Amino acid sequence: SQKIEQNSEALNIQEGKTATLTCNYTNYSPAYLQWYRQDPGRGPVFLLLIRENEKEKRKERLKVTFDTTLKQSLFHITASQPADSATYLCALASGNTPLVFGKGTRLSVIA
Amino acid sequence: DGGITQSPKYLFRKEGQNVTLSCEQNLNHDAMYWYRQDPGQGLRLIYYSQIVNDFQKGDIAEGYSVSREKKESFPLTVTSAQKNPTAFYLCASIPQTGRDYGYTFGSGTRLTVV
Repeated sequence: SQKIEQNSEALNIQEGKTATLTCNYTNYSPAYLQWYRQDPGRGPVFLLLIRENEKEKRKERLKVTFDTTLKQSLFHITASQPADSATYLCALASGNTPLVFGKGTRLSVIA
Repeated sequence: DGGITQSPKYLFRKEGQNVTLSCEQNLNHDAMYWYRQDPGQGLRLIYYSQIVNDFQKGDIAEGYSVSREKKESFPLTVTSAQKNPTAFYLCASIPQTGRDYGYTFGSGTRLTVV
């Protein structure tokens, strides 16, 4: 069956460091992968999308990579700040199918 | 400002009662989705609609029902057949399917069985 795994439930890092979150998938051939941020009690907010034929995407302090051979995406936040503390979700889809979400990684940036 | 409005923010249901969660969007989006989120869990798809007057079951549709009579509205009814309805419910939309749009989510409804 299709499975999406985000490397850890929680990740703590020091302010100013780079946070790296991992999303692995099995039994799936997604056309694209998306990353979302979710704050407690709120709906997810779309951050970045990367397509299967793209290796890397950047947006300000965010960078996403997509390796279809390893079936893995890495999500980086450089120069992290306490305001970056949130849960980050990865999601996959192809064609018309709805997004399938991972369980998320809760990031805490410590000042 | 365009967006998705979910109401109410908090909802309490008694055993055996049906309740309806509202989802309204003014984005002119064709496709709408309902997801359920439990603590420590990812979002699980309940129902989705790609166009008015059409909808499909998701992975966990049992005990739920939807309608899509208007483009801007996609209400979700949690019936008494849903045995464990306590969860955070999220509605989302995109302009159309077949393209890789990011989803726009509402702020959610937290449903609790009392």
